[in-house]
Amino acid sequence: DSGVTQTPKHLITATGQRVTLRCSPRSGDLSVYWYQQSLDQGLQFLIQYYNGEERAKGNILERFSAQQFPDLHSELNLSSLELGDSALYFCASSAAGEGEAFFGQGTRLTVV
Amino acid sequence: GQQLNQSPQSMFIQEGEDVSMNCTSSSIFNTWLWYKQDPGEGPVLLIALYKAGELTSNGRLTAQFGITRKDSFLNISASIPSDVGIYFCAGAYNTDKLIFGTGTRLQVFP
Repeated sequence: DSGVTQTPKHLITATGQRVTLRCSPRSGDLSVYWYQQSLDQGLQFLIQYYNGEERAKGNILERFSAQQFPDLHSELNLSSLELGDSALYFCASSAAGEGEAFFGQGTRLTVV
Repeated sequence: GQQLNQSPQSMFIQEGEDVSMNCTSSSIFNTWLWYKQDPGEGPVLLIALYKAGELTSNGRLTAQFGITRKDSFLNISASIPSDVGIYFCAGAYNTDKLIFGTGTRLQVFP
């Protein structure tokens, strides 16, 4: 158990809908990252937050947004969903200044 | 998005054999990490490297931080069936943002 909790584990929704994925980092970790992994693909970096502020941005679509709350949990919002958004979405966390990131179990999103 | 080049893309080996895989980047990093991912699960951190030339072991796994800071290697000795999975390298430079390799899919046959 990495200590990073993601909910829900599975999500099935229709095209055009909006969903919210939630992540609770390891206790004490200030950084939260979001990654997307499509079927049999690598991990694509979406966005990073550090202590509530956006720190780095990857190839995140404009339809996607994220935030980190004062209690350090984070949410990834995906809107106007398309079939191609079906993927595993991972959250990871790390302590400030350390490179090691620990991953949650992921949320499998299926858009039908 | 930006990714590191990882090779080989896949490996099919017999139980007991040793395995080597590597990761290269056009940029230098000051952190290299190796992860293993089982199907449908999150990546699990195997080894972390923080210094050029550093060689670190974790059981049957040994990883090295390349001296140029642009590459890293992972070796698995005496492979066993539970080594099956996808191995990812990841690098970072001065920020916590990790860039991931394309992955090496390992299959071990008894």
